Amino acid sequence: AQTVTQSQPEMSVQEAETVTLSCTYDTSESDYYLFWYKQPPSRQMILVIRQEAYKQQNATENRFSVNFQKAAKSFSLKISDSQLGDAAMYFCAYRSAKRPGNQFYFGTGTSLTVIP
Amino acid sequence: EAQVTQNPRYLITVTGKKLTVTCSQNMNHEYMSWYRQDPGLGLRQIYYSMNVEVTDKGDVPEGYKVSRKEKRNFPLILESPSPNQTSLYFCASSLGQGNSYNEQFFGPGTRLTVL
Repeated sequence: AQTVTQSQPEMSVQEAETVTLSCTYDTSESDYYLFWYKQPPSRQMILVIRQEAYKQQNATENRFSVNFQKAAKSFSLKISDSQLGDAAMYFCAYRSAKRPGNQFYFGTGTSLTVIP
Repeated sequence: EAQVTQNPRYLITVTGKKLTVTCSQNMNHEYMSWYRQDPGLGLRQIYYSMNVEVTDKGDVPEGYKVSRKEKRNFPLILESPSPNQTSLYFCASSLGQGNSYNEQFFGPGTRLTVL
């Protein structure tokens, strides 16, 4: 099974500041997809951003961007201009492009607090 | 509205009393999965289904059963629940193979407590 590691159980950021959440993964595959999901207190899992491994360009979605380092197997999430609504648990996830079943492997999550 | 629904949202039961958590999606997705979420462990896959009548074990299948008789429904069955199955459960669905990202769309979650 693939391993996804989020080494920061908790993070905090001042409102309007920038924060980066770390994610590393272990795989021998070359084709895969990476995702960041947000889980607010409502518990709903919301897709924040996604990245294909063969694309060198880092994905960006408004205030959210990633730093994808394929050789280092690193996929960090940067949140710019943090807002109170960004407070949530964030999960990094990996999906193989080849294996059947569309199985996602999730990290253990990073709880983000936004300080007003 | 495209969505994944789960019922019930909250359930408190006792050890050994069979229960079923229903999951339904209206997006005509081929893939459906069940996950459990526990503090410090993230989400772990219990079972998945690649299409009707095709199911397979995920990483933590012990104590659970599933069935996929219709494309839209994927119920999770606990034949004899035990306290270690107290958890937050998510159903998810996604498009089939051949679609690039195949991101999973999640239901709202079911909080299960087994006493």
